[in-house]
Amino acid sequence: GAVVSQHPSWVICKSGTSVKIECRSLDFQATTMFWYRQFPKQSLMLMATSNEGSKATYEQGVEKDKFLINHASLTLSTLTVTSAHPEDSSFYICSARLGDPGELFFGEGSRLTVL
Amino acid sequence: GQNIDQPTEMTATEGAIVQINCTYQTSGFNGLFWYQQHAGEAPTFLSYNVLDGLEEKGRFSSFLSRSKGYSYLLLKELQMKDSASYLCAAMDSNYQLIWGAGTKLIIKP
Repeated sequence: GAVVSQHPSWVICKSGTSVKIECRSLDFQATTMFWYRQFPKQSLMLMATSNEGSKATYEQGVEKDKFLINHASLTLSTLTVTSAHPEDSSFYICSARLGDPGELFFGEGSRLTVL
Repeated sequence: GQNIDQPTEMTATEGAIVQINCTYQTSGFNGLFWYQQHAGEAPTFLSYNVLDGLEEKGRFSSFLSRSKGYSYLLLKELQMKDSASYLCAAMDSNYQLIWGAGTKLIIKP
């Protein structure tokens, strides 16, 4: 099956610093990738939809200047958490759509801890 | 508004059968997905239904009734490793997934 790789799996950073998370579709081209955040014991919350070559579409309540998304190629999307604070600590997961209507394949997730 | 409802938690016995129900309300409909998620891990795809009826895939089956806005995931011959959260998600007319909160399935020996 299709593989989506997410890196890093774990990251710990100091408050005020920026962290970049990469999402790669390894064996297929994904015109659309999605970024989710999941807090403990809660469902996936869609943060933004990332389309290759265009600006990301952010969900209501998600600060686009804080969560920078870049989808420069058909196989790579990046999420940068700028000026991270402890409340940004969460499990961030990406997914890439394959086909129409589009089965989603998920990355392994990235656990961010902001001290 | 758009909404997905599924039970918060279910308990079943190893070797038994369990059915996890999901009802949905979306703006348009382009299919119903089921995902399995173990604690601390990303979800993994289980099934996709867009037509009414039952789709069988090994020990797992998924059913859809579009007229009722209803789906279920059926797990047979339960194994301890099936203990996980099961997420129901409906795809709306914009091809966006609307996620349920997940059903935590606890398997007892």
